[in-house]
Amino acid sequence: QSVLTQPPSASGTPGQRVTISCSGSSSNIGKYDVYWYQQLPGTAPKLLIYINNQRPSGVPDRFSGSKSGTSASLAFSGVRSEDEADYYCAAWDDSLSGWVFGGGTKLTVL
Amino acid sequence: EVQLVESGGGLVQPGGSLRLSCAASGFTFSDYWMTWVRQAPGKGLEWVANIKQDGSKKHYVASVTGRFTISRDNARNSLYLQMNSLRAEDTAVYYCSRDMGETWGQGVLVTVSS
Repeated sequence: QSVLTQPPSASGTPGQRVTISCSGSSSNIGKYDVYWYQQLPGTAPKLLIYINNQRPSGVPDRFSGSKSGTSASLAFSGVRSEDEADYYCAAWDDSLSGWVFGGGTKLTVL
Repeated sequence: EVQLVESGGGLVQPGGSLRLSCAASGFTFSDYWMTWVRQAPGKGLEWVANIKQDGSKKHYVASVTGRFTISRDNARNSLYLQMNSLRAEDTAVYYCSRDMGETWGQGVLVTVSS
């Protein structure tokens, strides 16, 4: 059971808008920034979004992040087949004095 | 080019020890927090530990506290994870990363089994 809650799966057709949610609490998302990672099959994770809504250089602007209260979301403005991957959210947690990840969401592009 | 390369993984018996290393290059290592994250086979990501730039602060996930020790050598641009009293549930790919996942290594597999 992960401290941050994500849906185990999400799906969409090419070009469709898709969102992935990440639910936490006042000790993590409610107080600290959220990070999102993409993990393509068989590869190391890659930072997709930092500080809630900032994209590292090289990350397409079709990826966006947002945060409200104790929840955050990752949005794809027009999903592509190459976006098929696992996505994880993360935040610092005061109660645990450590970082916590969501359980991950597997995105399927139909 | 920023690069992180892990080494030291392998097969170890339950109760045994292993030391992972992470060689950093392409950036000023001493300027960054460094982190270890692991991923058990077929499972999600789990944060393991992190260490401040000068090594003065360290944090651990509860399940490894007292068994694992994170350390760094800024002169050698290297990060370490000393893992003692290993258990089957420690079996995972271990990744080192700069800050919180800003850059990742390729990962190293640790298998704890008799």
